[in-house]
Amino acid sequence: ETGVTQTPRHLVMGMTNKKSLKCEQHLGHNAMYWYKQSAKKPLELMFVYNFKEQTENNSVPSRFSPECPNSSHLFLHLHTLQPEDSALYLCASSQGGTEDYTFGSGTRLTVV
Amino acid sequence: EDQVTQSPEALRLQEGESSSLNCSYTVSGLRGLFWYRQDPGKGPEFLFTLYSAGEEKEKERLKATLTKKESFLHITAPKPEDSATYLCAVQAGGSTLGRLYFGRGTQLTVWP
Repeated sequence: ETGVTQTPRHLVMGMTNKKSLKCEQHLGHNAMYWYKQSAKKPLELMFVYNFKEQTENNSVPSRFSPECPNSSHLFLHLHTLQPEDSALYLCASSQGGTEDYTFGSGTRLTVV
Repeated sequence: EDQVTQSPEALRLQEGESSSLNCSYTVSGLRGLFWYRQDPGKGPEFLFTLYSAGEEKEKERLKATLTKKESFLHITAPKPEDSATYLCAVQAGGSTLGRLYFGRGTQLTVWP
């Protein structure tokens, strides 16, 4: 596989469920990101990981919990979500300070 | 307040009818301006990075230009396969890794 792979592609969950989104990059990049894309809104940066260390948390509610076990994998653990959290969640990676961001295809999340 | 404004919000063109998309920004100390293409249900696909006023880049029917306050994405003789949402993003000087400010996008439809 090449590029940035996200699973699952679609997820429907209840407000009391716990689920996780997975992202894997095969580009040898050392930085990974979670973005949220809601309808009619700009992409919003959620979290930044550089060499497995979280370097930014953009005031994201604690019901979203990221995990980066190594430079190739990134998870977003979800619990007690609200309907307004329904969105497309995009993972991206880049090589350090370069801005050559590569995005995955995203996970379409629906909270019911 | 949006720091990146894209216009128009939506654009319909007939095949072969050239036009331009606009991206204006208000961040100070621009480090880079990015153009992405996003197809429905997919993540953004990188097109161009521009770093300084006066810079231009081309790829097939697309040409991106940059001034001190805005960027244009010119589409020459578009084809139906150019239909997509085009996103503009900027990285400001002094910003942390991964901190891109995105516009809301221009949804382009090219009909035969």
